[in-house]
Amino acid sequence: DTAVSQTPKYLVTQMGNDKSIKCEQNLGHDTMYWYKQDSKKFLKIMFSYNNKELIINETVPNRFSPKSPDKAHLNLHINSLELGDSAVYFCASSLGRNTEAFFGQGTRLTVV
Amino acid sequence: KNQVEQSPQSLIILEGKNCTLQCNYTVSPFSNLRWYKQDTGRGPVSLTIMTFSENTKSNGRYTATLDADTKQSSLHITASQLSDSASYICVVSARANAGNNRKLIWGLGTSLAVNP
Repeated sequence: DTAVSQTPKYLVTQMGNDKSIKCEQNLGHDTMYWYKQDSKKFLKIMFSYNNKELIINETVPNRFSPKSPDKAHLNLHINSLELGDSAVYFCASSLGRNTEAFFGQGTRLTVV
Repeated sequence: KNQVEQSPQSLIILEGKNCTLQCNYTVSPFSNLRWYKQDTGRGPVSLTIMTFSENTKSNGRYTATLDADTKQSSLHITASQLSDSASYICVVSARANAGNNRKLIWGLGTSLAVNP
């Protein structure tokens, strides 16, 4: 019954690898997001999709590429991982662009 | 520059006591302000949302206030419980342009520890 689910919950990988984080929501929401929370606990939006269409793309290295196969899924693919990519990545969804966001449990990415 | 500042950075209180968390913002044009609770290892959960015309809003033991003139908000927690131990994050929404998009500016949060 998890509303917004992300996998995996933990991910440890070496520098230079490529990895993906998956996100699915069963709330019927139109908008999905990816956030990055660094070691200082600051949450920063990375991307937002509305009905599979990219609507927010903050300044993020192009090694990060979101993919939305349908409006219930928003996956995040990261190429050539760097040490600075280590963080907790949160997926979220909302009914519309200006409504409350519901967050997943987060994916703790550690690049070694 | 759009900014959200929260204070204190961290707070320790005894179970049963009240506390107040502060949020000051310099965000324009203002759309709304939310308080989120984030338990350790979990995603944030919305507690309240306040629009420009609202001064006070309660959600159980949580009461949020908003002063749009001074651009300040507070979150008051009454009769604290151990489960209130979490980070409380203030998020201010600004209209990004004439369209339907908005920009979210997140505070760094206040880390609250409720001790028995």
